[in-house]
Amino acid sequence: SQKIEQNSEALNIQEGKTATLTCNYTNYSPAYLQWYRQDPGRGPVFLLLIRENEKEKRKERLKVTFDTTLKQSLFHITASQPADSATYLCALALYTGRRALTFGSGTRLQVQP
Amino acid sequence: EPEVTQTPSHQVTQMGQEVILRCVPISNHLYFYWYRQILGQKVEFLVSFYNNEISEKSEIFDDQFSVERPDGSNFTLKIRSTKLEDSAMYFCASSETSGYNEQFFGPGTRLTVL
Repeated sequence: SQKIEQNSEALNIQEGKTATLTCNYTNYSPAYLQWYRQDPGRGPVFLLLIRENEKEKRKERLKVTFDTTLKQSLFHITASQPADSATYLCALALYTGRRALTFGSGTRLQVQP
Repeated sequence: EPEVTQTPSHQVTQMGQEVILRCVPISNHLYFYWYRQILGQKVEFLVSFYNNEISEKSEIFDDQFSVERPDGSNFTLKIRSTKLEDSAMYFCASSETSGYNEQFFGPGTRLTVL
């Protein structure tokens, strides 16, 4: 069956450290993968999108990598801050041309001051 | 900055009643979506809508559900006869036609079915 797995349910790190979150998928060949942030009781907020032909994408303190051979994306937050505490979701469209997103279950990040 | 808005923020209803959830997508977006999230679970796709018709729907989106764009700004989700298991956060989202489909989500409507 097709799966998207985010390996950690929760991740606790100290302020200033780099947080690394993992998203693995099976049986898909997505054209792109997206990362969203979700705060409690709120809707997901788009952060970054990476295409299948891109190895790495950066935006300010965020970095995403995409390894289509390993079927894995890594999401990094450098110089983490308590305000980065949230749940981070990876999402992808199951096949090229599909617009509906399939979400992982998310990783809850807690940055301790 | 443009944003997706949803009303009401919280809806409480009795089982078997009809509910209509409302959304105003971002004005220049042409793709619209409904997702839901049962408490503690994943965000799940329900339906997408483009050019005044459903373009995709999931197995969750059965005959009890319908969507409509009644005018140039609103996008609605109707649940005809609510069940207890319909209790969830319902998110509307919109995206532009071009590009790789980053989606902009509204704040959600919390539906509680008693």
